[in-house]
Amino acid sequence: ETGVTQTPRHLVMGMTNKKSLKCEQHLGHNAMYWYKQSAKKPLELMFVYNFKEQTENNSVPSRFSPECPNSSHLFLHLHTLQPEDSALYLCASSQELGGTDTQYFGPGTRLTVL
Amino acid sequence: GQNIDQPTEMTATEGAIVQINCTYQTSGFNGLFWYQQHAGEAPTFLSYNVLDGLEEKGRFSSFLSRSKGYSYLLLKELQMKDSASYLCAVTDSNYQLIWGAGTKLIIKP
Repeated sequence: ETGVTQTPRHLVMGMTNKKSLKCEQHLGHNAMYWYKQSAKKPLELMFVYNFKEQTENNSVPSRFSPECPNSSHLFLHLHTLQPEDSALYLCASSQELGGTDTQYFGPGTRLTVL
Repeated sequence: GQNIDQPTEMTATEGAIVQINCTYQTSGFNGLFWYQQHAGEAPTFLSYNVLDGLEEKGRFSSFLSRSKGYSYLLLKELQMKDSASYLCAVTDSNYQLIWGAGTKLIIKP
């Protein structure tokens, strides 16, 4: 049990659908992250939040829209996605922002865009 | 550009020892992480090295040479449950975490 939960675990959607991914961390951490993981590629950092304020947006297309209502919850809103967006979407948290703190990951949402 | 290199896949035998290498070219260095990820599951933290040398933690050890831009993860007394992907990640001078593509380790009986 990592202390970071994600729902749903699997999602299939058409290109015209709108859906949201949810992440919750029970670790009391201040920073939260969204990553995209595609087969045989490095993790791609999408968004970073620190104390519920967005600190980073790595040139992510606007069809991905993050939301962080508080430091324990993180959402990723999806709309008009493309088939190449099919991937595993991982949420992570760390005590503090910055690359020297261990990140704790959720199990991910396996997204398939038809 | 920044780059982390790891072998894509390795195969080893149950009970044996395996070494997974990671070489990096980054703008600065502030630490190196190893994570384990079983298929369909979350990556989980294994080790963090910031100084040169070997860090041992049970059956797993991690080595770092900053001058060579090189690290390895050593797994001893391999068990079937060690079949997983192993991710190497480096913190650069801007405290950004740069990830490798991971090494898929297959353990055979």
